[in-house]
Order: sequence, then structure tokens, then C-alpha cells
Amino acid sequence: GESVGLHLPTLSVQEGDNSIINCAYSNSASDYFIWYKQESGKGPQFIIDIRSNMDKRQGQRVTVLLNKTVKHLSLQIAATQPGDSAVYFCAELLQGAQKLVFGQGTRLTINP
Amino acid sequence: DAGITQSPRHKVTETGTPVTLRCHQTENHRYMYWYRQDPGHGLRLIHYSYGVKDTDKGEVSDGYSVSRSKTEDFLLTLESATSSQTSVYFCAISPKGPNEKLFFGSGTQLSVL
Repeated sequence: GESVGLHLPTLSVQEGDNSIINCAYSNSASDYFIWYKQESGKGPQFIIDIRSNMDKRQGQRVTVLLNKTVKHLSLQIAATQPGDSAVYFCAELLQGAQKLVFGQGTRLTINP
Repeated sequence: DAGITQSPRHKVTETGTPVTLRCHQTENHRYMYWYRQDPGHGLRLIHYSYGVKDTDKGEVSDGYSVSRSKTEDFLLTLESATSSQTSVYFCAISPKGPNEKLFFGSGTQLSVL
């Protein structure tokens, strides 16, 4: 249902470290997930998506992991850079539904 | 920005006035969406369109109407703006299919006083 969410509202990491942003979803019938990045004053930027028939998908410096058993989604960012500072949120699409359900986001801050 | 232009970028209006926000795309995509973003709520779907003259309501459509007379333009109208419609409005397109891989515009900050 309307319960896409994030475990942590804020996350601080050291520059160069890996970041892991988590997202829990409640509907086991959701079959498509997207991660977005949103910088201040800008629109959401597509990062990566994954379908429920996959457990892992990699992009440039990012990896999304899907654990359907516990209904958990994570975004891993390798070698975090200052430009990665933003709010990250996930979205789920319920199979057969007509709309994405968006989480509220986690703010990622990078410490120098 | 996936060829999406939203206008205006900022608008301040008074309660009771009509307001129209415009979304223009250059890629000829079929699927277009209007969302609003508010603190504590995340993005919520207002209306969507799957083609010219093919529109439907989203989860927060009350007080809003849309029109799509050309593939490239999707207009959102607040018939009589209320303070609860103060928000950031985002237009999105999905090049692949309905609700897949949405790309968003830069948004319109609307303040209703």
C-alpha cells in the first residue's frame, strides 16, 4: 500500500566511503522499483531501476539490491563524492497499478 | 532534463484565482504526468496522460484539471487556487512505457496566498 519508506531520514558519510541507502516496501505484489536523486531546487533525477525478477542491478558507481523476502530495497553508492549530496528516494510500482508510490527520501550528506 | 520544460518556474498567486502550469516536451513521448511534492508526503500523482486527449485522475486530483491537445504539451490548471495547493509541481514523462523510468522536469514553485 502507501508505505514505501526509508529507514533513516538522514545519512552522513565520509567522502570516498561507500553509502548505503535503504528503503522498505510493504506490498509483496510490487514488481518494479526506481531510485531517484534530488538536489536542492531541482527535479528528481532517475538513477537506476530494477524489476522484481532481479536481485541486483549495477550502474555507474551505483548498485541496487532487492530482497523480496523481507521487502527491502537498497541503493549503494561507491566512493561517495561531494556531488552525491542530495535527497534519495525510492518508488515502487504495484503490479497492474497505474501509479508509482514514492517514499519521502533520505538526505545524504558528505563529510570532507 | 529529458527535454522537459516547465513554465513558469515560480508563481505567486492569490486564493481564488485560476492558475495554469505548462509542461512542454521535445521528445514526442506518449506518457506524461503531473505530480506535487510536499514535505512529509513525497511525490503524489495529480493527473496523467497516455496520449492526446487521453487523461485520467491520480490520487490527489481534486481541484485540478488537465488538458493535452498536443503530444508535446500537458497543461495543469487550478481552477480556483487554494492555500493547500501551495506546493512544488513536477511534470514527468516516461519514454519506455506507463510508469516506467520517469524523467522529471525542473518543477514549478507555486505559492497561493
